[in-house]
Amino acid sequence: EPEVTQTPSHQVTQMGQEVILRCVPISNHLYFYWYRQILGQKVEFLVSFYNNEISEKSEIFDDQFSVERPDGSNFTLKIRSTKLEDSAMYFCASSERLSNQPQHFGDGTRLSIL
Amino acid sequence: QKEVEQNSGPLSVPEGAIASLNCTYSDRVSQSFFWYRQYSGKSPELIMSIYSNGDKEDGRFTAQLNKASQYVSLLIRDSQPSDSATYLCAVNKNQKVTFGTGTKLQVIP
Repeated sequence: EPEVTQTPSHQVTQMGQEVILRCVPISNHLYFYWYRQILGQKVEFLVSFYNNEISEKSEIFDDQFSVERPDGSNFTLKIRSTKLEDSAMYFCASSERLSNQPQHFGDGTRLSIL
Repeated sequence: QKEVEQNSGPLSVPEGAIASLNCTYSDRVSQSFFWYRQYSGKSPELIMSIYSNGDKEDGRFTAQLNKASQYVSLLIRDSQPSDSATYLCAVNKNQKVTFGTGTKLQVIP
């Protein structure tokens, strides 16, 4: 069964450094998303992306964050200058043609900021 | 008022019983509704999606939606110990999905 893949599974970064999290959505999916989950807390929406542009973003997704689809398969989340509070699990998800279709999640990247 | 509200639990049921999980949401124009299962340290896994009022059954799972009451529920029949997990209610509006905090389910053998 097709799946969303994320790399790396665990990223350790010094505070203030830039980090890029990578995702390969399911191949025929058109909508892409990033979420984060701080340990012990709920899954929080960050951004949705369709047709090479951001569709929706949350208050969390400030100027430190950016997303990109650099080629036909990858979808990336960049955090420019990481803070301690950026430590969380980051999940990528994708859904099919219609925006209200179920989203399928990758296994996540655990980001640890030191 | 929280956008998506769930009882955090834990909800404990004996093996073989029916587990009933509930969720309320605040935005009346929400378009689609999902239940995800999340094991500790893992990613959310889609269980059910529901778009219109009424019941939707898939194997041991039944999702129920009542838009007038802004209420979604998930029933798990013949609960198994492997069903022990946190169940997340998610509500979609215009490509933004809002999750509840989840209900922890414990199925006791």
